[in-house]
Amino acid sequence: LAKTTQPISMDSYEGQEVNITCSHNNIATNDYITWYQQFPSQGPRFIIQGYKTKVTNEVASLFIPADRKSSTLSLPRVSLSDTAVYYCLVGDGTAGNKLTFGGGTRVLVKP
Amino acid sequence: DAGVIQSPRHEVTEMGQEVTLRCKPISGHDYLFWYRQTMMRGLELLIYFNNNVPIDDSGMPEDRFSAKMPNASFSTLKIQPSEPRDSAVYFCASSLGAVLATNEKLFFGSGTQLSVL
Repeated sequence: LAKTTQPISMDSYEGQEVNITCSHNNIATNDYITWYQQFPSQGPRFIIQGYKTKVTNEVASLFIPADRKSSTLSLPRVSLSDTAVYYCLVGDGTAGNKLTFGGGTRVLVKP
Repeated sequence: DAGVIQSPRHEVTEMGQEVTLRCKPISGHDYLFWYRQTMMRGLELLIYFNNNVPIDDSGMPEDRFSAKMPNASFSTLKIQPSEPRDSAVYFCASSLGAVLATNEKLFFGSGTQLSVL
C-alpha cells in the first residue's frame, strides 16, 4: 500500500473552499485514490474516489495531476458541519492490501 | 438497508474480563473488516474476512484477540483477557468487493467504545 502524507490540521471559515493535498509518491499503476470523512463518534464515511484527472460528486471534487504523485480533495463552500477528519487512502484492492488509514487531516470550520 | 450494525455501542469492563464485540455487515457484502481507533495509533486494521474466511489477521495485536465470522451476516471480535490498553473504539466495516479499486468503498458501523478499567 502506497504511503500517504497529509497535513495534520487545517482551519477554515464558513463559505470558504477547503483544499487538502495528499502526497503519495510511491503510487503504483493500478492504485486508486480514495478519501474518507470521519465525524466525532462515528465511523469514517466514503467521500470520493479517483484514478486520474478530476472527479466531482455532490460532496467534493478530487484533482489528480498527470504524475499521480499527489491528489487534492476540494470541499466547496464549507459549513460548520464539514468539521471532521479527512483521510486519504491509496491502493489497488488486491489481496493483502492493508487498507491502513493514515493520521488524516483535521479540518476545523469556524463561523 | 440499515447499514453496518455494531453492538454494544459502549462497553465498560474490568481488567481480566472477556469482552465480545458484535457486527452485522450489510447484506450481500463479501468483505468484513475490524478496525481499532485510538488517539495515539489512529485507525488500525486488525483483521479482515472475505466470504467468511479470515484473509489477513496480521494486525491483531496479540493472542488475547480473536475474531470469527460464522456466517455472512455475523462476526465477533473477542478479547480475553482484556487489559486497560485495549481501551479504544472498535469499528466494523464491510464492502461489496475488494476496496480501493473500481469504486468499491468501505461502509463503517458506529463503533463500540470499549473502556477497560
